[in-house]
Amino acid sequence: EDQVTQSPEALRLQEGESSSLNCSYTVSGLRGLFWYRQDPGKGPEFLFTLYSAGEEKEKERLKATLTKKESFLHITAPKPEDSATYLCAGPGSARQLTFGSGTQLTVLP
Amino acid sequence: SQTIHQWPATLVQPVGSPLSLECTVEGTSNPNLYWYRQAAGRGLQLLFYSVGIGQISSEVPQNLSASRPQDRQFILSSKKLLLSDSGFYLCAWSVRLGWELFFGSGTQLSVL
Repeated sequence: EDQVTQSPEALRLQEGESSSLNCSYTVSGLRGLFWYRQDPGKGPEFLFTLYSAGEEKEKERLKATLTKKESFLHITAPKPEDSATYLCAGPGSARQLTFGSGTQLTVLP
Repeated sequence: SQTIHQWPATLVQPVGSPLSLECTVEGTSNPNLYWYRQAAGRGLQLLFYSVGIGQISSEVPQNLSASRPQDRQFILSSKKLLLSDSGFYLCAWSVRLGWELFFGSGTQLSVL
């Protein structure tokens, strides 16, 4: 069964305190790993797609990396505006993405 | 550029009433279209997806149905809402052979 697991469920950081979010997956025939950001009451916003182990992508203070079994979203020197829920997803069977439950990030000023 | 419109933003409906949520995409042709539901604090659950007009695949048997009357229009409906239908509903699109999903702003549905 395709499964995407994110940890931790919630993370509180002080402004400037770097950390990483984890996404592990057991999606057969992985054809990409996707990261999204979701603000409260809004739809997820697409951030990154990673296709192969060793690939890295960056956007402002965010960097996503991919290994054969998991992906990390590194947040460097976060700011309060980085507070959001971060979702990862992998393409599973039947033409659908399987989403994790997300990590709720709070960055305190 | 492509945009996706979803409305209404919030909706409060009594149990047993009908439902119609609409989603339209602009700036692209032949998109794949999706309806997801997100329960509070949980991941996204795929409800329906469509690869073309009149072509609907249902992932979860339930009280809801979907229709695609036009290429860039996707509608989520129910004849009689249940309390368990409450949730955050999201419409999304992707290019025909792509996996990246682009989401609308969502509809918060409360069934009372």
